[in-house]
Amino acid sequence: KAGVTQTPRYLIKTRGQQVTLSCSPISGHRSVSWYQQTPGQGLQFLFEYFSETQRNKGNFPGRFSGRQFSNSRSEMNVSTLELGDSALYLCASSRGTSGSGTYNEQFFGPGTRLTVL
Amino acid sequence: AQKITQTQPGMFVQEKEAVTLDCTYDTSDQSYGLFWYKQPSSGEMIFLIYQGSYDEQNATEGRYSLNFQKARKSANLVISASQLGDSAMYFCAMNSGGSYIPTFGRGTSLIVHP
Repeated sequence: KAGVTQTPRYLIKTRGQQVTLSCSPISGHRSVSWYQQTPGQGLQFLFEYFSETQRNKGNFPGRFSGRQFSNSRSEMNVSTLELGDSALYLCASSRGTSGSGTYNEQFFGPGTRLTVL
Repeated sequence: AQKITQTQPGMFVQEKEAVTLDCTYDTSDQSYGLFWYKQPSSGEMIFLIYQGSYDEQNATEGRYSLNFQKARKSANLVISASQLGDSAMYFCAMNSGGSYIPTFGRGTSLIVHP
């Protein structure tokens, strides 16, 4: 079974630009979550998509947006980039339908390392 | 609200020895799940082990075991016979309240010395 893939793996952008990151989940998984990881803030949840709908959202400004396609692939967009957006962006896929939700093992991709200059 | 606390920013262990990474959690829900992930320098988060709040036995997966003490709200990860490849960041996480989104701790950096 193929794992979670993320493209691109590395990106360098300048302030004010926008960027789109892509995530392909494990086949059969309908939930895709996005996280931002920085040394200072740790791992922070951005949003989760399930069956093409945003089901959960973290506490990030509207510059961060996402979408999910019918094949469960997901994209994340960041507009008007700021220096503080430099981070490792991780995508995680899961079945997302585990009854009470307590066992919802997430499988992570290798991440996209974004540098904003 | 749920919270995960990992109090050890960094840990060192000699190769072939066992090491315990601490994790305490806080939730008002009776049903919850606890996870441990490993993140090598490459960046990918690797799932290690899961413990459900109603599981009576401590979870084990190969060299990994989870020391689950419900009354103390702790879910420590024990790695037996450490290997150089175990050097990585380790994150404790929890789902509760029917949420599909886990809360992660700040992580513990483990360095295994030869």
